[in-house]
Amino acid sequence: GENVEQHPSTLSVQEGDSAVIKCTYSDSASNYFPWYKQELGKGPQLIIDIRSNVGEKKDQRIAVTLNKTAKHFSLHITETQPEDSAVYFCAARQGAQKLVFGQGTRLTINP
Amino acid sequence: EPEVTQTPSHQVTQMGQEVILRCVPISNHLYFYWYRQILGQKVEFLVSFYNNEISEKSEIFDDQFSVERPDGSNFTLKIRSTKLEDSAMYFCASSDNSIYEQYFGPGTRLTVT
Repeated sequence: GENVEQHPSTLSVQEGDSAVIKCTYSDSASNYFPWYKQELGKGPQLIIDIRSNVGEKKDQRIAVTLNKTAKHFSLHITETQPEDSAVYFCAARQGAQKLVFGQGTRLTINP
Repeated sequence: EPEVTQTPSHQVTQMGQEVILRCVPISNHLYFYWYRQILGQKVEFLVSFYNNEISEKSEIFDDQFSVERPDGSNFTLKIRSTKLEDSAMYFCASSDNSIYEQYFGPGTRLTVT
């Protein structure tokens, strides 16, 4: 089955700098890759996603890139702000509906 | 903005007891899911549900688990006889007929003692 690996597990950046989180997946049939942000005490919030027919997608300060050949995808956050501090999860959709998640990255933005 | 809601936020139960976790998906959504996250581990898929039947389930979702949509708004997960290892955060999610974006609720923390 699908396996998703996510790195790093923790990331600390200065406010205003960029943050990059990377994920790799194993099943070449996976075709949908969402990113979720989880704040303390809340459920995962979908922040951006990409489908396998697209290489890059951007939404204001966040962007996701997908390399199908290498089977990896990345989340890029630019001009980071304190409210970006959270745990971020990548996921890959295997089969019809099931999402397989990475381990999560705890992002801390230092003022 | 519509959101998925879950009750209770925290449930404590004794081993061997039955629990029912409740979810109200986003109103026009057609696909419903349960995931769980054991403390410090990945979020894991349990089951997906569409048109009043299970469409996919994981190996975790054994005979102790069941799901139901008892009315037009609620979606429930029942654990028949809880074990210590069932302690986890349980998330409900829903998606519309595009079956791409899955929107998660805030979760129910289940503690089995």
